[in-house]
Amino acid sequence: EAQVTQNPRYLITVTGKKLTVTCSQNMNHEYMSWYRQDPGLGLRQIYYSMNVEVTDKGDVPEGYKVSRKEKRNFPLILESPSPNQTSLYFCASLPPGTSGRSYTDTQYFGPGTRLTVL
Amino acid sequence: GNSVTQMEGPVTLSEEAFLTINCTYTATGYPSLFWYVQYPGEGLQLLLKATKADDKGSNKGFEATYRKETTSFHLEKGSVQVSDSAVYFCALRDTGRRALTFGSGTRLQVQP
Repeated sequence: EAQVTQNPRYLITVTGKKLTVTCSQNMNHEYMSWYRQDPGLGLRQIYYSMNVEVTDKGDVPEGYKVSRKEKRNFPLILESPSPNQTSLYFCASLPPGTSGRSYTDTQYFGPGTRLTVL
Repeated sequence: GNSVTQMEGPVTLSEEAFLTINCTYTATGYPSLFWYVQYPGEGLQLLLKATKADDKGSNKGFEATYRKETTSFHLEKGSVQVSDSAVYFCALRDTGRRALTFGSGTRLQVQP
């Protein structure tokens, strides 16, 4: 089954304690990204990766890091979490385009990770 | 920059009522437009999409038409069910970009 998986699904932690949220996809997609969802703001992109070893900042990258050592995995790292990073996080992947129009294709989302930083 | 504006929720309807959730957008290029649905405790699922002006996306009884003249992509359903209760997000992907720009989401509550 084609899917994007995230772990953990729920996490409560304290300020300053480093954490990693894992994301994995089994569809051989090159493009992967992380979003955070906050009430009244919808989803905002944190970081994205066009391919292995190619990552770039999204709209709200401050306080986050990512890595892309393998095509299937795209972990999100919070080196020193703070309460304003309490949010619902989604990983997503995007297949390559058809007919040269990659922007028409559908993103696949993981189930989400609810993070609380105390 | 790009932006998506959705009507404020929650929207509360009785079963079999007609649903409209308004969505308007601004974009610099020629975007593709999407509606995603998020059921309680789950991730986002693509509901429907439209890739060019006057296209109509449809799925599970939901429809939305890409209106370039009014920069809108309103979601409609003729007869909602309790199982349609969820949060609905309008989104766009602009030309040459892969990231989605989302609206703030509209919560729909359908009562029996």
